[in-house]
Amino acid sequence: QKEVEQDPGPLSVPEGAIVSLNCTYSNSAFQYFMWYRQYSRKGPELLMYTYSSGNKEDGRFTAQVDKSSKYISLFIRDSQPSDSATYLCAMSGGIDTDKLIFGTGTRLQVFP
Amino acid sequence: DTGVSQNPRHKITKRGQNVTFRCDPISEHNRLYWYRQTLGQGPEFLTYFQNEAQLEKSRLLSDRFSAERPKGSFSTLEIQRTEQGDSAMYLCASSLSGSGYTFGSGTRLTVV
Repeated sequence: QKEVEQDPGPLSVPEGAIVSLNCTYSNSAFQYFMWYRQYSRKGPELLMYTYSSGNKEDGRFTAQVDKSSKYISLFIRDSQPSDSATYLCAMSGGIDTDKLIFGTGTRLQVFP
Repeated sequence: DTGVSQNPRHKITKRGQNVTFRCDPISEHNRLYWYRQTLGQGPEFLTYFQNEAQLEKSRLLSDRFSAERPKGSFSTLEIQRTEQGDSAMYLCASSLSGSGYTFGSGTRLTVV
């Protein structure tokens, strides 16, 4: 069993839809949780990070962490075609002090 | 600052040849990381440096792989006697302790 599980998709939604992306994990030592966006042939770009359980909002993006269930989510409101990319969850024992463990990534396509 | 720079962007090599990749981090960043990403997978940690010291190496980093960061600035990743299984995207990231990762666009290695 992988430490971080993520549905690879693809997920196809119409423009304007609310998108929900999720990851589960098994290591209770994880304290920092991140979401990266990766366009084709590019490196991952940090979208959101949260510490421990709770919610964090940034524009159209909301990240949620439920440590009791070992479950994290990223919501994208009013999705746009430019949001089409692969979304990777990642986690670590400490922000920027340790290696990141990534999920496999979920490929999202937003069609006009 | 133009971010994390990786060269070359793409390298095609014959099996058994040696290859070297270069990463130039963001200038004030003291930490530098190498990850490997294969198609349909998330990045996997290889190694990281704090300044010039290599602090952790993954079991993925076999004895054919070596990484250096002389003087705590740029880093090189060398693969000796390449194998087809080494074909992947090699990603470099840098950070200033506590500020989060910035990834480069990666070097795509194809071993034929």
